[in-house]
Amino acid sequence: QLQLQESGPGLVKPSETLSLICTVSGGSISSSGFYWGWIRQPPGKGLEWIGSISYTGDSRYNPSLKSRVTISVDTSKKQFSLKLNSVTAADTAVYYCARTIGMATVRNWGQGILVTVSS
Amino acid sequence: EIVLTQSPGTLSLSPGERATLSCRASQSVTSNYLAWYQQKPGQAPRLLIYGASSRATGIPDRFSGSGSGTDFTLTISRLEPEDFAVYHCQQYGSSPSLTFGGGTKVEIK
Repeated sequence: QLQLQESGPGLVKPSETLSLICTVSGGSISSSGFYWGWIRQPPGKGLEWIGSISYTGDSRYNPSLKSRVTISVDTSKKQFSLKLNSVTAADTAVYYCARTIGMATVRNWGQGILVTVSS
Repeated sequence: EIVLTQSPGTLSLSPGERATLSCRASQSVTSNYLAWYQQKPGQAPRLLIYGASSRATGIPDRFSGSGSGTDFTLTISRLEPEDFAVYHCQQYGSSPSLTFGGGTKVEIK
């Protein structure tokens, strides 16, 4: 069964770069037809899609975050990563990594990792 | 960008009652590419409905989705104790973006 696991620092200082990695197990990251992405949820609020990437490197980003986001994939390590620069307190959230069928519904989720932006 | 508005924000009901949740889009959702997710505290969301009305694998038939264009509804015919949770709608017809609604919390009355 496919499993996704987020890892990275739980505390980031304002103006710095938030970096997270998602490790895929129990399945292939190189399957066609799937996108690997990041979704976040500020405490007590709704979900926000950040962006997604295919195993070939085709990336799509939320227009509201595009200028600050980079998502990349490393098929040899079965990992994909998120970098969000110039963070502020508004970027404090639980960050989920996820697999979608195409750019559609989210079929698999990681457990989520809380990242707090604070000095 | 399509904006999804969910209502009500909170729904207070008793087990056994019927729940009706609304998701309204700011413009028509292409091909009714609208999904619903359930999220329990401390957990990731779980896909319930896709394509506005198709149940995902393993989802009980007390959950049903309907609607088209800009107005969509998730109905839980008879609430079970495990159904009290937050429900999110999501559209995936407007490339390149995926967008979510703000969520509806179904709480025990």
